[in-house]
Amino acid sequence: NAGVTQTPKFRILKIGQSMTLQCTQDMNHNYMYWYRQDPGMGLKLIYYSVGAGITDKGEVPNGYNVSRSTTEDFPLRLELAAPSQTSVYFCASSTGTDGTEAFFGQGTRLTVV
Amino acid sequence: KNQVEQSPQSLIILEGKNCTLQCNYTVSPFSNLRWYKQDTGRGPVSLTIMTFSENTKSNGRYTATLDADTKQSSLHITASQLSDSASYICVVNAGNNRKLIWGLGTSLAVNP
Repeated sequence: NAGVTQTPKFRILKIGQSMTLQCTQDMNHNYMYWYRQDPGMGLKLIYYSVGAGITDKGEVPNGYNVSRSTTEDFPLRLELAAPSQTSVYFCASSTGTDGTEAFFGQGTRLTVV
Repeated sequence: KNQVEQSPQSLIILEGKNCTLQCNYTVSPFSNLRWYKQDTGRGPVSLTIMTFSENTKSNGRYTATLDADTKQSSLHITASQLSDSASYICVVNAGNNRKLIWGLGTSLAVNP
């Protein structure tokens, strides 16, 4: 049982480049989330999804886009990378939203130079 | 403003010793509080969840407490092991998983 899998684990982007962070889960969870974790800051919610075809903005959505075409996959798209997007990105999934446990991937460490 | 504050920021203890981590929150409404363990380079993993009516809950060597009146929680680690070296994050749910307020974590180092 792989749980939540994120790729790549590390990436260096130049300013203005684009990339997609991949996230897939094999637990058949309806709810999926993207967070970023910056040094000295708590995790911040970027986008979330309550099921295939349904996504919504979190606390810090600017500069990002998501899609949810299947239950398993929830990719995060950066269109025009900026140094402020240098961070560690975590994808998570859960069965519900009322405090049910969120299962996290291993993270993607992104550096924009 | 919803906030979760953790103390100490970092802690170093010897293997086999006990320690207690603190979490104070000002979050409303309060749904539940969860403690996560985050190993270096990994995603957070849930240790335990505390609901409004629960005072104490144990998970192996980890014991969490909650005082909803004073809005404080603690995580006590007994007989620490080297593998306990990690960041411990307190997270308060303000209604649903889209409204999680994350603390900054306590970085724990267990030395031999």
